[in-house]
Amino acid sequence: AQSVTQLDSHVSVSEGTPVLLRCNYSSSYSPSLFWYVQHPNKGLQLLLKYTSAATLVKGINGFEAEFKKSETSFHLTKPSAHMSDAAEYFCVVTRRSVTGGGNKLTFGTGTQLKVEL
Amino acid sequence: DAGVIQSPRHEVTEMGQEVTLRCKPISGHNSLFWYRQTMMRGLELLIYFNNNVPIDDSGMPEDRFSAKMPNASFSTLKIQPSEPRDSAVYFCASTKTGREETQYFGPGTRLLVL
Repeated sequence: AQSVTQLDSHVSVSEGTPVLLRCNYSSSYSPSLFWYVQHPNKGLQLLLKYTSAATLVKGINGFEAEFKKSETSFHLTKPSAHMSDAAEYFCVVTRRSVTGGGNKLTFGTGTQLKVEL
Repeated sequence: DAGVIQSPRHEVTEMGQEVTLRCKPISGHNSLFWYRQTMMRGLELLIYFNNNVPIDDSGMPEDRFSAKMPNASFSTLKIQPSEPRDSAVYFCASTKTGREETQYFGPGTRLLVL
């Protein structure tokens, strides 16, 4: 079984300050982990992914995440927040279907990021 | 690349009516997923197809929901009859199965059943 826990439902930061969105996972297998972002009334956009290569993953818009197996964490960070970063962020873990063909995604409950002037 | 295309983007209908949501996956992708997003339940996987064949429909809420994928470039999700509790945003996603699979999402269909 696999699961994802996003530790904060809401995070508020000031523009120009660092962003930290926390995610812990549980998996019976070596997981693939993703962060997706959803802007209001939009679809989900892939920010970055970890698939057993480098543990520090860089994504779009200056975001990065570090896979820490010992802590079962995959926290998302950005050195300096921008107003356009305000959105909902989902941490996602995959589990391979036992019947084959396509990975099923397990979503966290989301973290709403607010960026203030 | 046009991305995943969904139509309609918005749908308002009355309880009891049939609703059909459409999805065109990214060309070359062979897996397609239908999700539903609500405030109460977050993102839920309804059904997914691999090479046009339904693999897992355990997330489909009840018999009022059905999905088809007649060919590699088109899928439909039908609700008949619709109920107010079906109001949600429905997303379609596609991927190419392989060692590293990333799902690409469409913009969603926002459904309101009155």
